[in-house]
Amino acid sequence: AQSVAQPEDQVNVAEGNPLTVKCTYSVSGNPYLFWYVQYPNRGLQFLLKYITGDNLVKGSYGFEAEFNKSQTSFHLKKPSALVSDSALYFCAVRDRQTGANNLFFGTGTRLTVIP
Amino acid sequence: NAGVTQTPKFRILKIGQSMTLQCAQDMNHNYMYWYRQDPGMGLKLIYYSVGAGITDKGEVPNGYNVSRSTTEDFPLRLELAAPSQTSVYFCASRLTGELFFGEGSRLTVL
Repeated sequence: AQSVAQPEDQVNVAEGNPLTVKCTYSVSGNPYLFWYVQYPNRGLQFLLKYITGDNLVKGSYGFEAEFNKSQTSFHLKKPSALVSDSALYFCAVRDRQTGANNLFFGTGTRLTVIP
Repeated sequence: NAGVTQTPKFRILKIGQSMTLQCAQDMNHNYMYWYRQDPGMGLKLIYYSVGAGITDKGEVPNGYNVSRSTTEDFPLRLELAAPSQTSVYFCASRLTGELFFGEGSRLTVL
């Protein structure tokens, strides 16, 4: 079975400080991993993905994420937070081996960047 | 560059009414999806399609139906609306990798 856990419902960080949004996953095979961001009253927007290769993935708006197979984690990071980064962030996983068509989403983490 | 277009954006239904949420994409994507988003619950897959004429159930299909007569369109039908179907509905599509989402349709059943 596939699942994603985002252990923090809310993350607060001061503007200019580094931010981390945590994600752990469970799949039977190897994962495709994704991060999406949702601004109020909008659809989800793709930030970055891990398919294969380098464990450090760089994405949109200065975000990056590190795939850690031993810890089954895919934490989202940014070196210096902006107020405009405040939004709802979703981690998602799809099992590469089973070819599953569903993308399983975490419950989301609300990031608030304090000026 | 429209991407994924959903209509309507907002709708209020009475219990027992029926309606169709429309979804269209102009990216020639084979895969299309319907998700519902409830507060604190993330997104749950209702139905998906891997191409025209092919649809399959997701995690929460009860009370919904879909059809996929063309590559572009993937409407979601709600029959006999119930308060439990109050939610925000998102349509999405993909070619091979990431999903592209519509702006959402907020449905309230009273």
